[in-house]
Amino acid sequence: ETGVTQSPTHLIKTRGQQVTLRCSSQSGHNTVSWYQQALGQGPQFIFQYYREEENGRGNFPPRFSGLQFPNYSSELNVNALELDDSALYLCASSSSGGALETQYFGPGTRLLVL
Amino acid sequence: AQSVTQPDIHITVSEGASLELRCNYSYGATPYLFWYVQSPGQGLQLLLKYFSGDTLVQGIKGFEAEFKRSQSSFNLRKPSVHWSDAAEYFCAAFTGGGNKLTFGTGTQLKVEL
Repeated sequence: ETGVTQSPTHLIKTRGQQVTLRCSSQSGHNTVSWYQQALGQGPQFIFQYYREEENGRGNFPPRFSGLQFPNYSSELNVNALELDDSALYLCASSSSGGALETQYFGPGTRLLVL
Repeated sequence: AQSVTQPDIHITVSEGASLELRCNYSYGATPYLFWYVQSPGQGLQLLLKYFSGDTLVQGIKGFEAEFKRSQSSFNLRKPSVHWSDAAEYFCAAFTGGGNKLTFGTGTQLKVEL
């Protein structure tokens, strides 16, 4: 059984650029959640996708957007990058959008915005 | 506002000593509660979770946690710490529908040999 994978592992961008991060969910999982983890902080919920539809969103501006594909992999897009967007971006997959389902996390993508 | 608080930013213990990491939550109802561990360069790994029932929950790697409603706490414990337990530990919770986890700010555990 393949776990959650993310790409790339590291990324450096400059302010104002756009970035796309990718996540492959664990086999059999149809739900992907994205989190932002700033240095020294706990992860903050960005949004969740369940069967290709957004299923909840945290307090992040619209320049953070996402997509889920028919194979349940997912992308996180961030436009007009700001210095504060520098963080570890984690995705987590689960077998449904339900509260009782355990979320399995990938290793993350570390984004640095200069 | 709903929140999860981990009062201890850093904790250092000697190998073989017991460990307790504190977690407090602020919610109107009893949330679902989790403890995750994050090692350097790794994603989050679930140690244990509490949904209902027995307030003492057993997890992986010899960890356990006790839910105390009267104290709004869900503290993580281990009787004897191993050097490999050095990592960052996050308490998390969610309430209501959906799958949004609210995390605490984490406790960095250092283990002295």
